[in-house]
Amino acid sequence: QKEVEQNSGPLSVPEGAIASLNCTYSDRGSQSFFWYRQYSGKSPELIMFIYSNGDKEDGRFTAQLNKASQYVSLLIRDSQPSDSATYLCAGIQGAQKLVFGQGTRLTINP
Amino acid sequence: DADVTQTPRNRITKTGKRIMLECSQTKGHDRMYWYRQDPGLGLRLIYYSFDVKDINKGEISDGYSVSRQAQAKFSLSLESAIPNQTALYFCATSDMGGGTRRYNEQFFGPGTRLTVL
Repeated sequence: QKEVEQNSGPLSVPEGAIASLNCTYSDRGSQSFFWYRQYSGKSPELIMFIYSNGDKEDGRFTAQLNKASQYVSLLIRDSQPSDSATYLCAGIQGAQKLVFGQGTRLTINP
Repeated sequence: DADVTQTPRNRITKTGKRIMLECSQTKGHDRMYWYRQDPGLGLRLIYYSFDVKDINKGEISDGYSVSRQAQAKFSLSLESAIPNQTALYFCATSDMGGGTRRYNEQFFGPGTRLTVL
């Protein structure tokens, strides 16, 4: 079992709808989580960071962390075609290394 | 200017050749990382370094070696390249501390696409 798991998709969402991306992790000691967005052929870029239970909102993005259930999610409201990308979930493990999930490919359909 | 640069950006080589991928950063970060990315497998850590005298193996270090020449430079070598090392390679950097837990945010270079024939 991978330490950070994501559904690889592809996930297809109509434009204007809410896209919901999920991630589970196995290391209960993980404290902080990151969501990176990666366009095809490009490098990952950070879009959200969360370390407290609950929700964190930034514009159209909301990250949710539930440490008891060991899952992290990312919601994208009012999805736009420019949101089409692969989304990588990552958690901090041990000596402050990031462990990445396999990524979820998201497609927003106009 | 880019904060994290990688050279070369693309490389095609033959089985058995030794190659080096280079990473430089102007962010002043102490920590540097090398990852490889394969379709459907996400990013996997090859090696990481928390300062110039510190080198650590990641999850897939076999067949690779690294050198931290300076705070700003971290090189990845494939001593004898094989076809299953064909992948997209990323260098990343992060700061070591601060007043916020966000210090583990990693900043990625543009990537090197390596093909081993």
